[in-house]
Amino acid sequence: DGGITQSPKYLFRKEGQNVTLSCEQNLNHDAMYWYRQDPGQGLRLIYYSQIVNDFQKGDIAEGYSVSREKKESFPLTVTSAQKNPTAFYLCATRRDGVETEAFFGQGTRLTVV
Amino acid sequence: SQQGEEDPQALSIQEGENATMNCSYKTSINNLQWYRQNSGRGLVHLILIRSNEREKHSGRLRVTLDTSKKSSSLLITASRAADTASYFCATAPSGSARQLTFGSGTQLTVLP
Repeated sequence: DGGITQSPKYLFRKEGQNVTLSCEQNLNHDAMYWYRQDPGQGLRLIYYSQIVNDFQKGDIAEGYSVSREKKESFPLTVTSAQKNPTAFYLCATRRDGVETEAFFGQGTRLTVV
Repeated sequence: SQQGEEDPQALSIQEGENATMNCSYKTSINNLQWYRQNSGRGLVHLILIRSNEREKHSGRLRVTLDTSKKSSSLLITASRAADTASYFCATAPSGSARQLTFGSGTQLTVLP
C-alpha cells in the first residue's frame, strides 16, 4: 500500500517446498521488515533490514531467510524447515529515524497444502 | 516475544458510542504508535506518541501514554461502522528503536 507491492496475494505451497514472497517498494525507505500474522493474532517480526546487504533476525527467524541486494527489494524465502508456514505475511518499510511510521503492503496469504 | 498486549481482545459497540482500547508494554520505549487493520489487509498508521508526551489528539482519536505504568490507551469518539477493524499498538523500544514490536490487537466492531 502506498508504494509497497507484495506478490503474490495468495500462495499455495506443498509441504517440503521452499517458496519466496516478494516485497518491492518505491518509497525510498531505508528500513524494511517482514512480519508474520496468524489468525486473530498480532504481528511477529521475522527479519528486518536497515540497509542494503545487511539484515537482522527478529523473534521468529527460524525456517526463514531473506536478502537485501537492492534498496527497493526485500524478498522472504519460507524454507521447508519452517514447520508451520501457513500464515499471512506482511512487509513494511520505514524512513530512517526512530520517530517514523511504518508503511505496509497488502500482504501475502501463504497456505501449505 | 510480543512487547505489547492490547485489552480487550474484542470490543463491540453501537454507532455513536466511544471505543477505548488499552495497550501495555514491557520495556522502556522511545515512542508508541497505533495502527489499524481492516480484515485481510495491511496495517495503516494512525498516530504516534513520544515517550515524553502524555496525550495526543488526531481528529476523533485521542491517545494517552503513561510511561510509569507502561501503558497507553486509544479512544475513538463518536464511532462509525467504518471504524470496524483491528487496532494494534506498536512500540519502538529505547536502544532498539528501529524495531517496531506489535501487540496482539483489539478487534473493534461498530454496529450500525
